[in-house]
Amino acid sequence: GAVVSQHPSWVICKSGTSVKIECRSLDFQATTMFWYRQFPKQSLMLMATSNEGSKATYEQGVEKDKFLINHASLTLSTLTVTSAHPEDSSFYICSAQKQGGTDTQYFGPGTRLTVL
Amino acid sequence: QQQVKQSPQSLIVQKGGISIINCAYENTAFDYFPWYQQFPGKGPALLIAIRPDVSEKKEGRFTISFNKSAKQFSLHIMDSQPGDSATYFCAASTRLFYNQGGKLIFGQGTELSVKP
Repeated sequence: GAVVSQHPSWVICKSGTSVKIECRSLDFQATTMFWYRQFPKQSLMLMATSNEGSKATYEQGVEKDKFLINHASLTLSTLTVTSAHPEDSSFYICSAQKQGGTDTQYFGPGTRLTVL
Repeated sequence: QQQVKQSPQSLIVQKGGISIINCAYENTAFDYFPWYQQFPGKGPALLIAIRPDVSEKKEGRFTISFNKSAKQFSLHIMDSQPGDSATYFCAASTRLFYNQGGKLIFGQGTELSVKP
């Protein structure tokens, strides 16, 4: 199998607070993990690519100081939304590629963030 | 040139019918073309994927047809069932280096509804 989990599955926070979302590959080691954002009825928008032990690569227009990504191990990547505001409310989804595997990205179940 | 264009935006099919979703791309460097299925509030799940060296791939009721010269690929769902009602995304990527794929470029998505 290739199972990816995310925690929490949903979170509600007040404006100005920071929120951390975890992405774990449960039964494989992931060289690369990706973070996406998805608005209702829209496609997935890639935010950043993270490789274990190195700095994340952010897509154009994504604020790296606002969306902090850490990929500390081959099974865990975290996304921290700093000083969250209502416009950051969205569905955040991570995916992972197997170490030594193919191009396939295995997606997590997503995290619904609501900022009040 | 990095875009993947998907159509139709929405599709209604009767139970037992064939659902067809089309995608087109420009970047000839793309060499991996997966299709994902997403249910509301869930992360995308890989359905089937194809590489440019074959023109068709079938897995159960799902078939990908690939036309390299036209830079188009499509998903066919045979004997469509109400349980297939979901949003479908095509995607494309290039391989960064051996055994590691690059980032996925997603199509806009197709909302499929299969009527009983």
